[in-house]
Amino acid sequence: DSGVTQTPKHLITATGQRVTLRCSPRSGDLSVYWYQQSLDQGLQFLIHYYNGEERAKGNILERFSAQQFPDLHSELNLSSLELGDSALYFCASSGVDGGAGYTFGSGTRLTVV
Amino acid sequence: AQSVTQLGSHVSVSEGALVLLRCNYSSSVPPYLFWYVQYPNQGLQLLLKYTTGATLVKGINGFEAEFKKSETSFHLTKPSAHMSDAAEYFCAVSHFSGYSTLTFGKGTMLLVSP
Repeated sequence: DSGVTQTPKHLITATGQRVTLRCSPRSGDLSVYWYQQSLDQGLQFLIHYYNGEERAKGNILERFSAQQFPDLHSELNLSSLELGDSALYFCASSGVDGGAGYTFGSGTRLTVV
Repeated sequence: AQSVTQLGSHVSVSEGALVLLRCNYSSSVPPYLFWYVQYPNQGLQLLLKYTTGATLVKGINGFEAEFKKSETSFHLTKPSAHMSDAAEYFCAVSHFSGYSTLTFGKGTMLLVSP
């Protein structure tokens, strides 16, 4: 157990739907990062939150959004889902110095049918 | 800007043989370098990291990597492969910053045969 908790582990939904992925960071970590992993694109950075504020955006689609709540858990919202959004979505957390490395959760596998 | 290139999407070795996974990076500032391992249906686990200091870094499960600034490389090695080492390995780069993000390579799948 890495200390980073992601729910749900698996999600199957239809095209056009909206889903919410949840992440609880490791105790004491203020930063949360979201990554998408797919066979063709590899690990793509989506977005970074630090203590409730957005700090950096990567290759995140406009249909996707995220937020970090006062208790530091984060949610990634994916809407108007397309088949191509099927992927593993990872959350990671770190302390103040994110450059020193992250701790990853076990991921949410999203399948869009 | 920073980037990582991992040479070889698949590497095959025999059990007991040397493991060498190659990673080259590009960074405009002094880098922090990482190797992560991902077993099937699991998240990424940190193997080792270089931030500052000694350029030869030892990690878990007998792996080590050497930071070579002149070659912009951070290759991962293990003297003797074990069947349990079969997994996907990712090299990543970041730099010192409170808000730095990790940039990952495409990954190398290590296959170990008996």
